[in-house]
Amino acid sequence: EAGVAQSPRYKIIEKRQSVAFWCNPISGHATLYWYQQILGQGPKLLIQFQNNGVVDDSQLPKDRFSAERLKGVDSTLKIQPAKLEDSAVYLCASRIAGGETQYFGPGTRLLVL
Amino acid sequence: AQSVTQLGSHVSVSEGALVLLRCNYSSSVPPYLFWYVQYPNQGLQLLLKYTSAATLVKGINGFEAEFKKSETSFHLTKPSAHMSDAAEYFCAALKTSYDKVIFGPGTSLSVIP
Repeated sequence: EAGVAQSPRYKIIEKRQSVAFWCNPISGHATLYWYQQILGQGPKLLIQFQNNGVVDDSQLPKDRFSAERLKGVDSTLKIQPAKLEDSAVYLCASRIAGGETQYFGPGTRLLVL
Repeated sequence: AQSVTQLGSHVSVSEGALVLLRCNYSSSVPPYLFWYVQYPNQGLQLLLKYTSAATLVKGINGFEAEFKKSETSFHLTKPSAHMSDAAEYFCAALKTSYDKVIFGPGTSLSVIP
């Protein structure tokens, strides 16, 4: 079974630029999560999707971050414009409906200069 | 609000020594509990999980954890540390399969030859 796929793995941009990350969850997993992990910290949930609907985006900085999961499968997370403090690893995870275990992708490491 | 604490942000053990990583959760209802491991530049990998079956849970790579309701703890142990165990370890809790996962801040494990 293929795992959660993410791309790109690494991205370096300058502040005020835009960036987008892509995630393809495990096939059949209805729930998809985006996390931000700052160096030395645990993952912080940014947004949770159930199919193509948003379940929780309470910690998403909506003035600069956006995310979509239009067809209920893959998802994109965008930052526009980026700030220095957005430098982090962005993790995508998925979970089967009714299940308790999240499966994580390898993450995208973002560096904002 | 549910929270997860991990005592000790950094733990060092000698190769072959016992590994003990501590995790405590706060919840009125015993949740699902997880231990994830994160190797450098990788995503989180599930080590083991507690889902209200056996209180002693065995995971991959020789790790195990014991759920103690009276102590609200879920400490991770391994009898003999290996150099390849050096990584970041995260404890996480989930109240129901419809809630969001709460991660602890992580413990960085170093293994000394």
